[in-house]
Amino acid sequence: DQQVKQNSPSLSVQEGRISILNCDYTNSMFDYFLWYKKYPAEGPTFLISISSIKDKNEDGRFTVFLNKSAKHLSLHIVPSQPGDSAVYFCAARAKTSYDKVIFGPGTSLSVIP
Amino acid sequence: NAGVTQTPKFQVLKTGQSMTLQCAQDMNHNSMYWYRQDPGMGLRLIYYSASEGTTDKGEVPNGYNVSRLNKREFSLRLESAAPSQTSVYFCASSDRASYNEQFFGPGTRLTVL
Repeated sequence: DQQVKQNSPSLSVQEGRISILNCDYTNSMFDYFLWYKKYPAEGPTFLISISSIKDKNEDGRFTVFLNKSAKHLSLHIVPSQPGDSAVYFCAARAKTSYDKVIFGPGTSLSVIP
Repeated sequence: NAGVTQTPKFQVLKTGQSMTLQCAQDMNHNSMYWYRQDPGMGLRLIYYSASEGTTDKGEVPNGYNVSRLNKREFSLRLESAAPSQTSVYFCASSDRASYNEQFFGPGTRLTVL
């Protein structure tokens, strides 16, 4: 039973356009959400996060939106660049188990030049 | 500035053999984690250690043991390897001061024949 879902295994976007990666969760106890980026043969690296008390967090070209009522978050990348091609993992943490971070299955993004 | 290091990078085992995956971090983090990554499954937490001297089970602990040797080192042991344990294993560390942003090692690719 996946608590964090990323229903699109892959996504292709033209360079310069917007990339939107979606994530859904089922556990209402989750209070902190993170996005990680992973290149082949490397470990994941932290990208951006959002607390449940906010509905938006922005860092340069990356913006994460949180809709708590829908248990949905999305990562927007604008403009998309070829170097953004990677696997993106959505992750969540519950207030009752601070050290347990649950990851989604990932979405592979390809940015086409 | 090593961050999180893992050894070995690659390993091939026969069913029933044992081995220990080593992980060390130099960031003085309290928490350390072991994940496995399988296609379509994302990163699944095997075990974690919230502080030196403590360990707890994650989502998929069966078939594994861990040791938090000291604050820097967290090892993962497979006592009797099975083909289902073929995976890429990632070690990570974090600190509550950074809201659980996890820093990952480069991974160990394990094949069990």
